Amino acid sequence: GENVEQHPSTLSVQEGDSAVIKCTYSDSASNYFPWYKQELGKRPQLIIDIRSNVGEKKDQRIAVTLNKTAKHFSLHITETQPEDSAVYFCAARLKNTGNQFYFGTGTSLTVIP
Amino acid sequence: DADVTQTPRNRITKTGKRIMLECSQTKGHDRMYWYRQDPGLGLQLIYYSFDVKDINKGEISDGYSVSRQAQAKFSLSLESAIPNQTALYFCATSDPGLAGGNEQFFGPGTRLTVL
Repeated sequence: GENVEQHPSTLSVQEGDSAVIKCTYSDSASNYFPWYKQELGKRPQLIIDIRSNVGEKKDQRIAVTLNKTAKHFSLHITETQPEDSAVYFCAARLKNTGNQFYFGTGTSLTVIP
Repeated sequence: DADVTQTPRNRITKTGKRIMLECSQTKGHDRMYWYRQDPGLGLQLIYYSFDVKDINKGEISDGYSVSRQAQAKFSLSLESAIPNQTALYFCATSDPGLAGGNEQFFGPGTRLTVL
């Protein structure tokens, strides 16, 4: 199967600063990489994703970059706001095992006002 | 709004008991999944189903079984619950017609405690 590692496990930033969360994956057959945000007591929700044929994708204050050669991808949040505080999960979809998703262990982001 | 629902939302049970967690969806999606979430371990796939006749094991299927009763319903059973099955359980759906079925839509979760 796939092995997805996520760092850091916790991250605190001042409001207005940037936050970066990094993930690595092990299987080059993975072809899709979503990021989910989970607020306290809520369900995970997709915030941005990237396919393996794309190197970068942006959506307002969030962006994701993918380096296929190095097998790593990162989430970038700029101009952080208190409502960005949540747990963020990366995931990789492994195409040759029925499109199973493998999740990272999560990063708890705290934005300090 | 079309949604994914789970029942019960919270359950406390004893070791050795059989328990069933239910998931229903009104999204019309063919694909359904069961995950468990443990602190510090993220989400781990237990079982998934791509249609009513299709059931597949995920990473951690031991101790669990599932039933896909209809397109809209996917149940997870613990035949004999044990304490290390205490976790938060999420059901999810996806639709291959929506951008290749990439996005997973999660239910609200069921918090299970096995004493």
